[in-house]
Amino acid sequence: QSVLTQSPSASGTPGQRVTISCSGSSSTIGNNYVYWYQQFPGTAPKLLIYRNDQRPSGVPDRFSGSKSGTSASLAISGLRSEDEAEYHCATWDDTLSGPVFGGGTKLTVL
Amino acid sequence: EVQLVESGGGLVQPGGSLRLSCAVSGFTFSSSELNWVRQAPGKGLEWVSYIRISDDTIYYADSVKGRFTLSRDNAKNSVFLQMNGLRAEDTAVYYCARGNSHGGLDPAMLNFDRWGQGTLVTVSS
Repeated sequence: QSVLTQSPSASGTPGQRVTISCSGSSSTIGNNYVYWYQQFPGTAPKLLIYRNDQRPSGVPDRFSGSKSGTSASLAISGLRSEDEAEYHCATWDDTLSGPVFGGGTKLTVL
Repeated sequence: EVQLVESGGGLVQPGGSLRLSCAVSGFTFSSSELNWVRQAPGKGLEWVSYIRISDDTIYYADSVKGRFTLSRDNAKNSVFLQMNGLRAEDTAVYYCARGNSHGGLDPAMLNFDRWGQGTLVTVSS
């Protein structure tokens, strides 16, 4: 069982805006930055969002991150078929004194 | 071009040992911060271990502490994960990932800006 809670699946149609959530606690998301990773089947994860809402160079601005209290969200606007992937959230756990991940959300583009 | 290449995975019996390697190129090894992150089949990601090459600071997840040992070889621009006392629950793809602290703004144990392709470790009799 992951320290951070993500819905196992999400879906949307091309052009739609979808949101993937990540729920934690005061000792995780509530007190630390959130990071998001995108992972295609059989490949390594790729950094998508760092420090809650910052995009690395090369990541389209269709991807945005936000944080409120003990939860964080990844929003994808103008959904495309190539966005079909698994999305993982991560943050620091003050209690464990280490990084923790969510279980991942598999996004399907219908 | 930044590259991280893992090797050393394979099938091992419970209680056995395996040594993973991560060879890096395209950035300055001596000032880098590297991590091992694993993913069990069909599961989420799990951070395993971290090393700051400049001063050999090393951290381990509780799940592997006392069984796994991280080391480095500057001449080979490589880090190694020695895994002893392997258990079925250690079965996973093991990724080597570069941490980027952005000058201290981000934890290098969380902000993984480059990843290797991964190497599969299977612990089974």
